[in-house]
Amino acid sequence: EPEVTQTPSHQVTQMGQEVILRCVPISNHLYFYWYRQILGQKVEFLVSFYNNEISEKSEIFDDQFSVERPDGSNFTLKIRSTKLEDSAMYFCASKTRQADYGYTFGSGTRLTVV
Amino acid sequence: AQSVAQPEDQVNVAEGNPLTVKCTYSVSGNPYLFWYVQYPNRGLQFLLKYITGDNLVKGSYGFEAEFNKSQTSFHLKKPSALVSDSALYFCAVRDDGGYQKVTFGTGTKLQVIP
Repeated sequence: EPEVTQTPSHQVTQMGQEVILRCVPISNHLYFYWYRQILGQKVEFLVSFYNNEISEKSEIFDDQFSVERPDGSNFTLKIRSTKLEDSAMYFCASKTRQADYGYTFGSGTRLTVV
Repeated sequence: AQSVAQPEDQVNVAEGNPLTVKCTYSVSGNPYLFWYVQYPNRGLQFLLKYITGDNLVKGSYGFEAEFNKSQTSFHLKKPSALVSDSALYFCAVRDDGGYQKVTFGTGTKLQVIP
């Protein structure tokens, strides 16, 4: 069964450093998403991406965040200057088309900012 | 704005007994409803969805959910719980417009007691 792959599974970074979280969506999927889950809390929408541009973003997704699909395969989330409160599990998801309704999620990257 | 409520932080059920995990929702348009399961240190796995049609939908691992429009509910059910069903369950909703940002509930921890 096709999978969404996320790397690394766990990343530790110092406050103020830049991090890039990587995702490889399922190959024929067209819509891409990032969600995050702070430990013990709900899963929160960050951003959706379609046709090489952001289609929707939440209040969480401020200027410190950016997304990119640099090579038609990877889908990355960059945090420019990490804060302690960015520590969370970050999930990438993808789906095939607008009328499709089941995301496929990756297994997540646990980001720890120290 | 769309929202989801999962009123129970935790549900305990004896193995072999039926289980119900509750979910209510609010959307402005027609609801698309989902259940996801998260096992410890794992990503989110899709269980089932309601888009249209029969109010009772069947999903993976013997789970089903009943859509009730008048009560705006989408409770997850299983006739006979297994210890391996112990996990965190998230209800999610989106409306039928836009780029389909999904809003998750806060999650319900299901504990099946042997």
